[in-house]
Amino acid sequence: EVQLVESGGGLVQPGGSLRLSCAASGFIVSSSYMIWVRQAPGKGLEWVSVIYSGGNTYYADSVKGRFTISRDNSKNTLYLQMTSLRVEDTAVYYCTTGVSWGQGTLVTVSS
Amino acid sequence: DVVMTQSPLSLPVTLGQPASISCRSSQSLVYSDGNTYLSWFHQRPGQSPRRLIYKVSKRDSGVPDRFSGSGSGTDFTLKISRVEAEDVGVYYCMQGSHLYTFGQGTKLEIK
Repeated sequence: EVQLVESGGGLVQPGGSLRLSCAASGFIVSSSYMIWVRQAPGKGLEWVSVIYSGGNTYYADSVKGRFTISRDNSKNTLYLQMTSLRVEDTAVYYCTTGVSWGQGTLVTVSS
Repeated sequence: DVVMTQSPLSLPVTLGQPASISCRSSQSLVYSDGNTYLSWFHQRPGQSPRRLIYKVSKRDSGVPDRFSGSGSGTDFTLKISRVEAEDVGVYYCMQGSHLYTFGQGTKLEIK
């Protein structure tokens, strides 16, 4: 059974940084694509970033240049490094393989 | 960028009655490999999304057969043949042919 467990969320001031982690079990993170999706409070789902099995990465325009997706194959973990955070980045962040989703981790950007 | 437009945004349904959600994309979702990467997700309040349908019409494991997906090109539909109480929540379509984009979501409630 595939399990994805996100961590690393929290309260950060505007302009600050956070690194989210997504630990995978029952699935090899480098074997397929993995996606970060976020959901602002009371809002819909928004695609943030993807990393493909070959290592190619892509970002939504709203986070391009500020967020970096990566993975550590030895730890079977996906990451999202977030810098220059803005109030509008406040959301629950999910990692997903498409069919499997983590429980999400809340990022709050506020002064 | 591909824009996904769902309708209706609110869907009150009587238990046991059918329901239908439309999803339209701003450009064709037929990918260069011939596949159409259109998925449907269901999210209950306080829960992570769950994928129901992928590649337009393929049901994920464990998804009841009252859920069906159809469509092609730019027009897609999710149908529930007989709505049950557990079907309440928000339904999202998502395209994966041109990076990723979600629809705005359709909130299904019981009348």
